[in-house]
Amino acid sequence: DAGITQSPRHKVTETGTPVTLRCHQTENHRYMYWYRQDPGHGLRLIHYSYGVKDTDKGEVSDGYSVSRSKTEDFLLTLESATSSQTSVYFCAISTTVGTAVEQYFGPGTRLTVT
Amino acid sequence: DAKTTQPNSMESNEEEPVHLPCNHSTISGTDYIHWYRQLPSQGPEYVIHGLTSNVNNRMASLAIAEDRKSSTLILHRATLRDAAVYYCILRDLNSGYALNFGKGTSLLVTP
Repeated sequence: DAGITQSPRHKVTETGTPVTLRCHQTENHRYMYWYRQDPGHGLRLIHYSYGVKDTDKGEVSDGYSVSRSKTEDFLLTLESATSSQTSVYFCAISTTVGTAVEQYFGPGTRLTVT
Repeated sequence: DAKTTQPNSMESNEEEPVHLPCNHSTISGTDYIHWYRQLPSQGPEYVIHGLTSNVNNRMASLAIAEDRKSSTLILHRATLRDAAVYYCILRDLNSGYALNFGKGTSLLVTP
């Protein structure tokens, strides 16, 4: 499982409140990702990081920010949560094995915004 | 990355072979074909990948058309545990490591 943990695993919050999700890895991988998954949309990339303090936007980055101050931690923040951000959030790392890009995912965080 | 087209869903009987198709007519010469699957309530996991030649591993086989415009993931003997969403993804080695998962094919395996 590439040593990836996510916290919290479940969260219910109210509209307008800030929320921070944490992804922690133990194997010193350079690349980390945040995805969201909603019914009918598959997985969509929110933000990714290619090193400490190096991050970039993905397909659905509006309303989200990220930070990576240490190799092992990648934080996803919803500054002011909205109901449209109710989703399952997955963190992932990637590694190359020969020519393959293998991504390993955390267990997911189910976020409900009421 | 070039786009892929997969059926929304497929059904198979347990212990039968399953052929999951993927069309990628705009594939470029440097695109690698990756397959991932997502079991219920879990994140996706890597299955197999290839460039031009057919590939086999312990999980599955990947058959790639000669013109590379399509590929097929083959599960030789489906089990109930193979029920999952299967994603066909193209990735150019020069385009970074993010993957575009799309919606995939939902495989139902019946006893």
